[in-house]
Amino acid sequence: TQLLEQSPQFLSIQEGENLTVYCNSSSVFSSLQWYRQEPGEGPVLLVTVVTGGEVKKLKRLTFQFGDARKDSSLHITAAQPGDTGLYLCAGASLQTSYDKVIFGPGTSLSVIP
Amino acid sequence: DTAVSQTPKYLVTQMGNDKSIKCEQNLGHDTMYWYKQDSKKFLKIMFSYNNKELIINETVPNRFSPKSPDKAHLNLHINSLELGDSAVYFCASSQALDTATNEKLFFGSGTQLSVL
Repeated sequence: TQLLEQSPQFLSIQEGENLTVYCNSSSVFSSLQWYRQEPGEGPVLLVTVVTGGEVKKLKRLTFQFGDARKDSSLHITAAQPGDTGLYLCAGASLQTSYDKVIFGPGTSLSVIP
Repeated sequence: DTAVSQTPKYLVTQMGNDKSIKCEQNLGHDTMYWYKQDSKKFLKIMFSYNNKELIINETVPNRFSPKSPDKAHLNLHINSLELGDSAVYFCASSQALDTATNEKLFFGSGTQLSVL
């Protein structure tokens, strides 16, 4: 059974601080996605990483896919209150004819003004 | 324009009742999904349909029956509701079955189901 773990589970920081959240698995994934979910809403995709070692930047957010495609990290620079939300990583593994996407348990981030 | 819309937003019902949640997407996508998010925010896939054909059924009890009248709609009917069914149910869609590269999941805003 493929599982994704995320750490930390909860994170509360002051505005302007930097932070990193992690997504780990013992399984290899063909791609990994990061989503942000705000209260009362569905998850919204932030990025997809496909190649081992790949680094993608989205403004103050930096995403990295591990060389072995088993783990990923999300680094936020100078966090702002608008970054508050639940960050979910999702790994896709190729089945016979479709991708099966599984989600990690999420990191709940609170950025205090 | 809402890309993936599901109704109702909130559903409160008694144990043993039968209820339905509707989902529609106006993105022209071929694939639709139902996910369940429990109280710990863990998001787990239940079903996936591609062009009205069932692709994924993740050992969900038979009391849950998805229905796809066309590729823009995927409704979820639940019979004999149980306390453990309380959760937030999300509908989602993607262009194709291959989410590995540049496809992504578009989620609805969720239906919070409370079984009393």
